[in-house]
Amino acid sequence: NAGVMQNPRHLVRRRGQEARLRCSPMKGHSHVYWYRQLPEEGLKFMVYLQKENIIDESGMPKERFSAEFPKEGPSILRIQQVVRGDSAAYFCASSPGTGFHEQYFGPGTRLTVT
Amino acid sequence: GNSVTQMEGPVTLSEEAFLTINCTYTATGYPSLFWYVQYPGEGLQLLLKATKADDKGSNKGFEATYRKETTSFHLEKGSVQVSDSAVYFCALIDAGNMLTFGGGTRLMVKP
Repeated sequence: NAGVMQNPRHLVRRRGQEARLRCSPMKGHSHVYWYRQLPEEGLKFMVYLQKENIIDESGMPKERFSAEFPKEGPSILRIQQVVRGDSAAYFCASSPGTGFHEQYFGPGTRLTVT
Repeated sequence: GNSVTQMEGPVTLSEEAFLTINCTYTATGYPSLFWYVQYPGEGLQLLLKATKADDKGSNKGFEATYRKETTSFHLEKGSVQVSDSAVYFCALIDAGNMLTFGGGTRLMVKP
């Protein structure tokens, strides 16, 4: 049973470019969460999605960041006009549904902005 | 709001030493508590969990007990190995479905 998949594993972007990070949840999981880990820090919640719905985006920066989880295909975290401060590891997690508190994490995408 | 505080690292131990990593939390409701481990260059793996007061989570020789009276969930292992070297994160989840993490504690075990 494949785990949570994320790609790319490493992404380098110049300032001002767009970054697209993809996450495929575990089979049978309909809930996706995105977290950001800045260097030498813990993980911070960004957004929680179900299929075609954003449930909680209280951790998302107000500008340049967006997320979606379409009916078909992976969840996408999109960062427009990246800046150096966006350099971080972005982790996706999934769970089967509400009441299942265990979240299973992907390997992360390490974004470097030059 | 919710918060998790864990001891700062790095924690450096010799092989077979006893490990304790302290974790305390603040939560508005009745959270579930977790320890995650992150090996270099990898994502987080769930190490153990406890869902209610006095529950003890255990896995791979690691243990932690949910102490509501002291709002703590300290991680312990009786005899660490070099392969336990990693970063350990204490976390909680409340009604909101998102995990709140501590800052992480790096453990280095020397042979």
